[in-house]
Parts: sequence; structure tokens; C-alpha cells
Amino acid sequence: GDSVTQMEGPVTLSEEAFLTINCTYTATGYPSLFWYVQYPGEGLQLLLKATKADDKGSNKGFEATYRKETTSFHLEKGSVQVSDSAVYFCALSDPNTGNQFYFGTGTSLTVIP
Amino acid sequence: KAGVTQTPRYLIKTRGQQVTLSCSPISGHRSVSWYQQTPGQGLQFLFEYFSETQRNKGNFPGRFSGRQFSNSRSEMNVSTLELGDSALYLCASSLEAAFYGYTFGSGTRLTVV
Repeated sequence: GDSVTQMEGPVTLSEEAFLTINCTYTATGYPSLFWYVQYPGEGLQLLLKATKADDKGSNKGFEATYRKETTSFHLEKGSVQVSDSAVYFCALSDPNTGNQFYFGTGTSLTVIP
Repeated sequence: KAGVTQTPRYLIKTRGQQVTLSCSPISGHRSVSWYQQTPGQGLQFLFEYFSETQRNKGNFPGRFSGRQFSNSRSEMNVSTLELGDSALYLCASSLEAAFYGYTFGSGTRLTVV
């Protein structure tokens, strides 16, 4: 079945450090891939998405490239800020398996000044 | 434009009671999904509605039910509450399907005592 495997956390970085959060997936079809972010006490906010192989999603300095050959969608940011501290979720939606998201377990990021 | 609105934000209920949660999707969105978020299980799919019809259902007991109205607003109901039902319940809406991405509400925090 469909699934998402996400890098375990928590991750602690200093401000302006480089961020990578790994995400790999298993899907029966050709899924769309997403990164969502959750701030304390809030719901999930869409950070970026990619709908086909080799697409790059980007937003607020974050990027992720849909790699079909490695079934990966790693999240990167060149220089993190304290305000990026949150929990990040990788997710997929596969039109072959119905209208739902399969989420990773989430990666907690703390950025220290 | 207004986002996804969930009410109430917080609820405390006693074991054995029932509860109804409400979700108003973004105007024009016809697909509404519900997710349960707990520290132990992460984000789990409950069900998805489109134009008043349930299109997909997750692996939850029959105590969990939902419905969607003609204006796309949705409710979910949990009967005979158990301690393990304590969670953040998230509603998400999309124009048509998860494949295009969902916008999430801030959630309803349910505590069962």
C-alpha cells in the first residue's frame, strides 16, 4: 500500500544553518507529493507541492524535488530562521487509492538563535 | 478569502458521551476530509465527502461518522466516547480531490475524561 517514511526528529539547528528533512514514499500509482508545516496549537499549512516527476516545489525559501527514480521528496532550505521552528510533515496523495493523504510521522525542527 | 473554519476549538467530554464537530470549508470547495491527530498514531484519515456523498473511509470504528450538507459544510460525530478518542481533529477542504492539495483548519482539540 501507499506510505511515507520521514526522517526522525527532533532536529535542532542554529540560525542560518542548512536544513534537509528526508522523505521517501511508496505508491502504487503516480502520486502528488506535499510538505505541510504545523506550528504549535495550529492546523497544517501547505508549504509546497509537486504533482509529477522532476517537478520542484518551492515556497518561503523551502524547496523539494519530486524524484521518481529514488521515490524521494526531500525538503531543503539554505538558511533557516527561528521562525521556521515547527513540525514538518511529508504527505502523498495517490489518485489510484482514493481521496486521502498518507502522512509521514512528522519532523520537529527547532532553530536556535 | 476565509479559510477552513472548525468549531469549537476545544471540547471536554466525559466517557460514554457523544460529540459533534463542525467544519466550514473554503467557499467553492466541495471535498471535505477529516483527520485525527494523536502523538502516538500521528495523522490518520477518517473520511472524505464530496457533494454530500462519502467517497472514502479510513479504518475507524462505526462510532465515528460524518456527513456533508448541500452547502459543503460538514460535521463529524463520535458516539460513546472513549479515553483514546482524545485528539486533535482536523478538517480539510479542496476544490475536488486530495490530489490537488488540501487546506486545513486549525482543528478541534477533544479531551475525553
